[in-house]
Amino acid sequence: DVKVTQSSRYLVKRTGEKVFLECVQDMDHENMFWYRQDPGLGLRLIYFSYDVKMKEKGDIPEGYSVSREKKERFSLILESASTNQTSMYLCASSTHRDTTETQYFGPGTRLLVL
Amino acid sequence: AQRVTQPEKLLSVFKGAPVELKCNYSYSGSPELFWYVQYSRQRLQLLLRHISRESIKGFTADLNKGETSFHLKKPFAQEEDSAMYYCARLLTGGFKTIFGAGTRLFVKA
Repeated sequence: DVKVTQSSRYLVKRTGEKVFLECVQDMDHENMFWYRQDPGLGLRLIYFSYDVKMKEKGDIPEGYSVSREKKERFSLILESASTNQTSMYLCASSTHRDTTETQYFGPGTRLLVL
Repeated sequence: AQRVTQPEKLLSVFKGAPVELKCNYSYSGSPELFWYVQYSRQRLQLLLRHISRESIKGFTADLNKGETSFHLKKPFAQEEDSAMYYCARLLTGGFKTIFGAGTRLFVKA
């Protein structure tokens, strides 16, 4: 059973702080993703990675960066948090071994930026 | 651009009534389509995928290429079906999946 974990369920940060969100998966998946989930907007892709040290911008990368130093870990970084980054952040992983590339999600991190 | 559209933000039905959650996609080849579900306080998870032609928890979804739709249906809704439902599509070339805005289903007793 795939397990995707995220380092925090809830975070409260102040404007301008640097924020790290960590995601770990234990199924040797090649692909990892970061989304933000906002009411009425669904899931929007921030960044994704298809291999170690590889990263690709998603649909809303501005204000974010990522790091994938190990296959199982994908970090999302908010360089200088702003109030409009208050959201639920979801990490997901998938594998090419599954031809449909079903995504497996973490429990989410709810971030509040004050 | 490839898109997934869920026209209803909220759908409210009575227990035992049929339910249909709508999903339309922009045409491009042979799409890989999915329904994901998020129950209260649980993580987002796959409900079903069209390639499997499966019925999960009584839900089915049929791909209609003529109408570019992939509506999710269940003949008799249950209270435990109350959740957020997302239609999704694997983009051509793999890797990325795009999601609709989601429909919140509320099943009333």
